[in-house]
Amino acid sequence: DAGVIQSPRHEVTEMGQEVTLRCKPISGHDYLFWYRQTMMRGLELLIYFNNNVPIDDSGMPEDRFSAKMPNASFSTLKIQPSEPRDSAVYFCASKKLGRGTLSGNTIYFGEGSWLTVV
Amino acid sequence: QKEVEQNSGPLSVPEGAIASLNCTYSDRGSQSFFWYRQYSGKSPELIMFIYSNGDKEDGRFTAQLNKASQYVSLLIRDSQPSDSATYLCAVNSNSGYALNFGKGTSLLVTP
Repeated sequence: DAGVIQSPRHEVTEMGQEVTLRCKPISGHDYLFWYRQTMMRGLELLIYFNNNVPIDDSGMPEDRFSAKMPNASFSTLKIQPSEPRDSAVYFCASKKLGRGTLSGNTIYFGEGSWLTVV
Repeated sequence: QKEVEQNSGPLSVPEGAIASLNCTYSDRGSQSFFWYRQYSGKSPELIMFIYSNGDKEDGRFTAQLNKASQYVSLLIRDSQPSDSATYLCAVNSNSGYALNFGKGTSLLVTP
């Protein structure tokens, strides 16, 4: 099975530009998560969706960040305008609910989008 | 306030030794506990999870949970250089569906 697919893998952009990160979750998974990882703050949850509906966006740092999931196989994380402090690795992850089972509790990560804002 | 705490390391152990990685968490209501391994430049991958107090063994890995002390640990027996990575402790969030991660402990296994 294909894993979580993210694009772009690497992006370098100038401050003030719009950045759009894309994610295709594992087919059949009903939860999708966006995490951000930096050396200073570690891996932080930004937002997650259940059946395409945003459930918890309390981790979204500010209004410059927005995320959508128009269908079960696609999600975007947008930063507008971007700032140097947004430089990080952004991970998309997905999970299929199944309490008590390994697969039901495993969050599978994509390979990440490495963002540098200069 | 960070909910999951880990020593950042690096923890250095010789090949063949036991590596012991520790994690504490603040939410007493947490039910599920996970250990992920992350190689440099790669994404985290799950290696173990544990729900109940006590030990859970899987090959060279043993996860230990003490809910009263809010403490989770991971033991790696017969450590290999290929085990050199950052180990992330994760705890289920209040909703139960997302995970809160510690910052990770860097492990270096020297030949």
